[in-house]
Amino acid sequence: EVQLVESGGGLVQPGGSLRLSCAASGFTFSSYWMSWVRQAPGKGLEWVANIKQDGSEKYYVDSVKGRFTISRDNAKNSLYLQMNSLRAEDTAVYYCAREDSSGPVPSFYFDYWGQGTLVTVSS
Amino acid sequence: SYVLTQPPSVSVAPGQTARITCGGNNIGSKSVHWYQQKPGQAPVLVVYDDSDRPSGIPERFSGSNSGNTATLTISRVEAGDEADYYCQVWDSSSDHQRVFGGGTKLTVL
Repeated sequence: EVQLVESGGGLVQPGGSLRLSCAASGFTFSSYWMSWVRQAPGKGLEWVANIKQDGSEKYYVDSVKGRFTISRDNAKNSLYLQMNSLRAEDTAVYYCAREDSSGPVPSFYFDYWGQGTLVTVSS
Repeated sequence: SYVLTQPPSVSVAPGQTARITCGGNNIGSKSVHWYQQKPGQAPVLVVYDDSDRPSGIPERFSGSNSGNTATLTISRVEAGDEADYYCQVWDSSSDHQRVFGGGTKLTVL
């Protein structure tokens, strides 16, 4: 059974830092792109960042470029999100999600999600 | 960046058919995926690649995509289908962005 378990959320002051972790199990972690997706209170889903299987490619939404860093440790089946210079607008539930793609043309969808970890940025 | 537009809300009576649209420039040239999210829960993939269903998703859920509009259709709607629904695409032309629509709240009357 595929499982994704996030941890590391909490209350942090504006300008502070936080590191989120996602422990993966039930599948070959090193074979999949992985993403972080967030959801602000009462708002919709927003893709934040993703990372290729071997960590050689990383992409970010414009609003977090230069502040957030995604990484992975395939030996530990773990995904991370280092968040620096946090702002109030970063307050959200952060989900770890596995990406998959089918067919001859890549399409990339999120087939498994964790339960999320809440990050609150407030003084 | 690529923009996906969904109606904020759709209402339907039990047993009827609900159609949730997702608009985007030439979205028919992209693969569209749909997620269901119930309050307090993580999203669940219900349709991928326009019209395919993951295992465990009822046949009542179907999708189509053409021109500038993709549609999620839920037949014989049940009370348990009440949820937020999001469409999503991969924007290969914009730094490999994964893009979500704003979401549609489905209310079962």
